[in-house]
Amino acid sequence: GQQLNQSPQSMFIQEGEDVSMNCTSSSIFNTWLWYKQDPGEGPVLLIALYKAGELTSNGRLTAQFGITRKDSFLNISASIPSDVGIYFCAGQGVNGKLTFGQGTILTVHP
Amino acid sequence: GEEVAQTPKHLVRGEGQKAKLYCAPIKGHSYVFWYQQVLKNEFKFLISFQNENVFDETGMPKERFSAKCLPNSPCSLEIQATKLEDSAVYFCASSQAANYGYTFGSGTRLTVV
Repeated sequence: GQQLNQSPQSMFIQEGEDVSMNCTSSSIFNTWLWYKQDPGEGPVLLIALYKAGELTSNGRLTAQFGITRKDSFLNISASIPSDVGIYFCAGQGVNGKLTFGQGTILTVHP
Repeated sequence: GEEVAQTPKHLVRGEGQKAKLYCAPIKGHSYVFWYQQVLKNEFKFLISFQNENVFDETGMPKERFSAKCLPNSPCSLEIQATKLEDSAVYFCASSQAANYGYTFGSGTRLTVV
């Protein structure tokens, strides 16, 4: 199915470093969501963005909904080992259906 | 409860057998969504419900897949005559409103052998 263009595909960083990942789309979305998925688990909602230009923080996480409504980024500051996992962006249309990015696999070395 | 409960966690079926997956949404959430996650982490939307009514079924392979959300019962996703390519993790999610961030369950891993 259709997917968003999420980058990078993977990241290997040292504990304490900052991380940035982003998503772009050819389509406009009403809502942008960022999820984290651990092995054997379902995606967990990290941040939801409902307005174009919105910048939202959740602890060490910060995300922005692009002005054009076609992109979003997620930043993680001062990474820790438990940040390891797969991060997905998702654009949501008016009918609630999510279109997911391909995921960013994050590895944090202590 | 405050979590989306999916059962079973694992399901193994021989090719051609039926598979039935269950999902109990968070109490008070009127929207239920089903997704299939295959290799390379790709999510595919299957179907959504608003209470017991189908809201969007554009992702459902209609020949062998069916789903229901009946009052006072867990929602279900049923696959008749499973095929090898149906092997995947099936996630259910629920939300209070259609265009609102939703909560996923932990998934059912279906393996067709």
